[in-house]
Amino acid sequence: DTAVSQTPKYLVTQMGNDKSIKCEQNLGHDTMYWYKQDSKKFLKIMFSYNNKELIINETVPNRFSPKSPDKAHLNLHINSLELGDSAVYFCASSQDGYSWETQYFGPGTRLLVL
Amino acid sequence: SQQGEEDPQALSIQEGENATMNCSYKTSINNLQWYRQNSGRGLVHLILIRSNEREKHSGRLRVTLDTSKKSSSLLITASRAADTASYFCAANEGGADGLTFGKGTHLIIQP
Repeated sequence: DTAVSQTPKYLVTQMGNDKSIKCEQNLGHDTMYWYKQDSKKFLKIMFSYNNKELIINETVPNRFSPKSPDKAHLNLHINSLELGDSAVYFCASSQDGYSWETQYFGPGTRLLVL
Repeated sequence: SQQGEEDPQALSIQEGENATMNCSYKTSINNLQWYRQNSGRGLVHLILIRSNEREKHSGRLRVTLDTSKKSSSLLITASRAADTASYFCAANEGGADGLTFGKGTHLIIQP
């Protein structure tokens, strides 16, 4: 069974489009995250959701919006895509977000904006 | 400030040799974690060492933490070709700031 899954695995789209990436975890964890990994492999946290509440929100453009319909899902919506949004986006989850313990990552979504 | 700077950026060794990677951080931490990323995959948690621990083992992995020097090292003994991957340290400052990852060490094990 896949612990943290993301769809799609690859996403190629035109500049200006709106797209969504879905994430699901079946670990029963309380907290889910979105990370962005750039071409130099630098991994930066974007959002964290704990019990459907946003607990951190790094300085990402408001074109990015996380949406959590329930504890097991955290989707990432991106409006008006820009070339610089091209990266690998990882979803992750952990038992709870307050102690920042072990995180379980999804396989990543490779976004290419043309 | 960026936490979790790994050193070296790339390391190539022969199978069977030991591989050592280092990580430095700038502020106090609750714990420090090491992750592995195989090419085209997500990160996999390897080991977590808390600020009051100095050394931890897990199979062929050995992690040390020196809070006075704000540094950690990851040793992989008797390396195997399957250990080829990028290795990241992540510093946990506590609070709402989350984990801060470094840019990773790319390890290549030559068969």
